[in-house]
Amino acid sequence: AQSVTQLGSHVSVSEGALVLLRCNYSSSVPPYLFWYVQYPNQGLQLLLKYTTGATLVKGINGFEAEFKKSETSFHLTKPSAHMSDAAEYFCAVSAYNAGNMLTFGGGTRLMVKP
Amino acid sequence: EPEVTQTPSHQVTQMGQEVILRCVPISNHLYFYWYRQILGQKVEFLVSFYNNEISEKSEIFDDQFSVERPDGSNFTLKIRSTKLEDSAMYFCASSDDRGAPRAFFGQGTRLTVV
Repeated sequence: AQSVTQLGSHVSVSEGALVLLRCNYSSSVPPYLFWYVQYPNQGLQLLLKYTTGATLVKGINGFEAEFKKSETSFHLTKPSAHMSDAAEYFCAVSAYNAGNMLTFGGGTRLMVKP
Repeated sequence: EPEVTQTPSHQVTQMGQEVILRCVPISNHLYFYWYRQILGQKVEFLVSFYNNEISEKSEIFDDQFSVERPDGSNFTLKIRSTKLEDSAMYFCASSDDRGAPRAFFGQGTRLTVV
């Protein structure tokens, strides 16, 4: 079974500041890891994913995440926040042998202050 | 870019009524999914569907729920007798392979049961 914990349901940063959204997972088998973004009144958009290979994954809009097996973490970062980054971010895990069933974390709402 | 389309975007229904939520997956995809997100809670897996049958379902997906692919393009979720607690955002997703990395999500249908 998998589970995902996102630390901090709300994160507030100033425009231009570093964005760090935390995600820890639990999985009994090698995981696939994902970050999704949800803008107000919109659906889930894939930001980036880790399946195999390089542990530092780059996604859209300047975001990246690093898979750290020893820490069971997949934190999302962006060097410089932009006002348009304000949204809800979801970390998700899937077992490589369990089809497409995604287990989501509770989400983190990112607020960007001018 | 191809996309998953869901209709309607918002549906209000009275408790006890049947509702059908509709999804048009990406045309060459073979795997279909429904997820839901109750306001303020996690996105939860409901069901996966392949080759005209359910391949996985969660505990949430009880006898009140059913899925169908009535033709070559639509994928529907039916709730037979809605309850207040069915109020949620329902997301459809599709994939061309039995692997989470390639799943695309729709914009969601917000169901409000009154």
